[in-house]
Amino acid sequence: GAGVSQSPSNKVTEKGKDVELRCDPISGHTALYWYRQSLGQGLEFLIYFQGNSAPDKSGLPSDRFSAERTGGSVSTLTIQRTQQEDSAVYLCASSDPGLAASGTQYFGPGTRLTVL
Amino acid sequence: AQSVTQLGSHVSVSEGALVLLRCNYSSSVPPYLFWYVQYPNQGLQLLLKYTTGATLVKGINGFEAEFKKSETSFHLTKPSAHMSDAAEYFCAVMNYGGSQGNLIFGKGTKLSVKP
Repeated sequence: GAGVSQSPSNKVTEKGKDVELRCDPISGHTALYWYRQSLGQGLEFLIYFQGNSAPDKSGLPSDRFSAERTGGSVSTLTIQRTQQEDSAVYLCASSDPGLAASGTQYFGPGTRLTVL
Repeated sequence: AQSVTQLGSHVSVSEGALVLLRCNYSSSVPPYLFWYVQYPNQGLQLLLKYTTGATLVKGINGFEAEFKKSETSFHLTKPSAHMSDAAEYFCAVMNYGGSQGNLIFGKGTKLSVKP
């Protein structure tokens, strides 16, 4: 079946602009995660959605970052007023109810964001 | 709080040689541990995981890892490296803190395989 998909695959933007990154999880997966992968910081957790529960936003680095998940499926990560330090690969992962508790996650290919 | 440390950001082996990638963890509760692999310009793929039970875990592509509580280690091994194993490998522990369910990753180890 189809895996986790993300769009766009690459995004180049100018400092100060807003960007939206999209994630389509595997059908039926109720858990959805966003991570950021950068040279200096490695892989960092950003935000976690589980079903209809309030998302865990504890990993968001600043209030310029936000995410939503509509209809329990597609998620959008929004970065407002982008800064050069936001340049990174943004990875989305999903998990099904049975596997989420054991930590197994399926990752998308990522969106490479470059802020000029 | 949980954390993982990967020793060695780069490891180079010859084709056919043993692969050993080191991971040590810190956890105040029994850990769930993972190894993921990332090929260039791709997302992460689960190699193997340890949750409970048998401490020697076998994964895909001939990799295995052993959970050693006394050493707080979860090293990844493969008896004979193939060129196709060249990739970056990440050790991770499941976070039982404020966000149950997310993974905490090590910095990664880039594996090179020489012909």
